[in-house]
Amino acid sequence: GDSVTQMEGPVTLSEEAFLTINCTYTATGYPSLFWYVQYPGEGLQLLLKATKADDKGSNKGFEATYRKETTSFHLEKGSVQVSDSAVYFCALSVRGAQKLVFGQGTRLTINP
Amino acid sequence: KAGVTQTPRYLIKTRGQQVTLSCSPISGHRSVSWYQQTPGQGLQFLFEYFSETQRNKGNFPGRFSGRQFSNSRSEMNVSTLELGDSALYLCASSLVGGQGGSTNEKLFFGSGTQLSVL
Repeated sequence: GDSVTQMEGPVTLSEEAFLTINCTYTATGYPSLFWYVQYPGEGLQLLLKATKADDKGSNKGFEATYRKETTSFHLEKGSVQVSDSAVYFCALSVRGAQKLVFGQGTRLTINP
Repeated sequence: KAGVTQTPRYLIKTRGQQVTLSCSPISGHRSVSWYQQTPGQGLQFLFEYFSETQRNKGNFPGRFSGRQFSNSRSEMNVSTLELGDSALYLCASSLVGGQGGSTNEKLFFGSGTQLSVL
């Protein structure tokens, strides 16, 4: 079945550090890939997405590239801020499936 | 434009009881999905409704059910509650569902209902 594996957290970094959160997937079909972010006490918000191989999704300084050959969609940011502290979820959707398959989530804490 | 509204925000129930959670989607959205979030299992898909019809269902027992009304509002019901049903239940809406990459399929999540079963 379809699945997503994220690097385990929690991850703690200092402000302005470089961030990488690894994500790999297994899918029967050609999935779309997503990163969602969840701030404390809130629901999930779409951070970025990519729908085909070699696409790069980007938003708010975050980037992720759809790598079909390595079935990966790693999240990166060059310089994190305290306000980036949240839980990050990698997810996939196979077109027509009407559902998202999520990774376990990675809790990120940024210290000033 | 109002976001996805879920009520109530918090619920405390005891084992064996049943519970109904409500979700009002963004105006104009016809697809509503439900997800269960727990520390152990993470986020798991429950079901998705479009125009009052269930289009997809996750791997949950029959105690979990849902429905959608003609105004796109949705409810989910859990009967005979178990301790393991304690979770954050998230509702999400989109224009047409599908959860693929198109703009019309973009999901908007509510803040969730935190259910505690004692």
